[in-house]
Amino acid sequence: SSDLTQPHSVSVALGQTARITCERNNIGRKNVHWYQQKPGQAPVLVIYNDKKRPSGIPERFSGSNSGNVATLTVSRAQAADEAVYYCQLWDNMTVLFGGGTTLTVL
Amino acid sequence: QVHLAQSGPEVKEPGASVKISCKASGYSFTSNDIHWVRQAPGQGLEWIGWLNPNSGETGYAQKFQGRVTVSRNNALSTAYMELSSLRSDDTAMYYCARIVVPVVYFDPWGQGTLVTVPS
Repeated sequence: SSDLTQPHSVSVALGQTARITCERNNIGRKNVHWYQQKPGQAPVLVIYNDKKRPSGIPERFSGSNSGNVATLTVSRAQAADEAVYYCQLWDNMTVLFGGGTTLTVL
Repeated sequence: QVHLAQSGPEVKEPGASVKISCKASGYSFTSNDIHWVRQAPGQGLEWIGWLNPNSGETGYAQKFQGRVTVSRNNALSTAYMELSSLRSDDTAMYYCARIVVPVVYFDPWGQGTLVTVPS
């Protein structure tokens, strides 16, 4: 399938580690990017090229990509990290987005 | 600082067309492709298409082929997205975003333009 599959929601206790997955057959062969979107705001790039952080993004955000799964990891989760997260890649002259994962910090 | 400023909200009747603008600043407009993405209320992100401001080359998602046109005015550092034959399910926030070649990721995004098509 060409779809990118994300869990609908992930919950994490304050200060703990959250992992958000993005699944697709052989996704490890592609560059995967992640965006954070808070209510009423445009998406913001938090990880590009699987694991690189744009300037201004906290080191608590990290990424990996191998096999059939790309993962966004949010370490030491804070209340400000509550948002919807989207994975994205470029394949066959088309942009694909995952369905989005709502991260809740408890 | 790179910034994309979009035009204001629109309300259109079914069957009409809408044209949204995206004005770039803080970089050389012709150096980076511009893409368009939309988001229906409460839904995820949906890619529409792209424009190379330097060459004028465009590409569209199959779903929008024949109904969308992206264009530019380099003198104004502005990209446009026109969507025709509007339906109620075209009601969405429309975003422009700059990509950083050669890898296609979006940074930054415009603030969004809300297009409402009453049913």
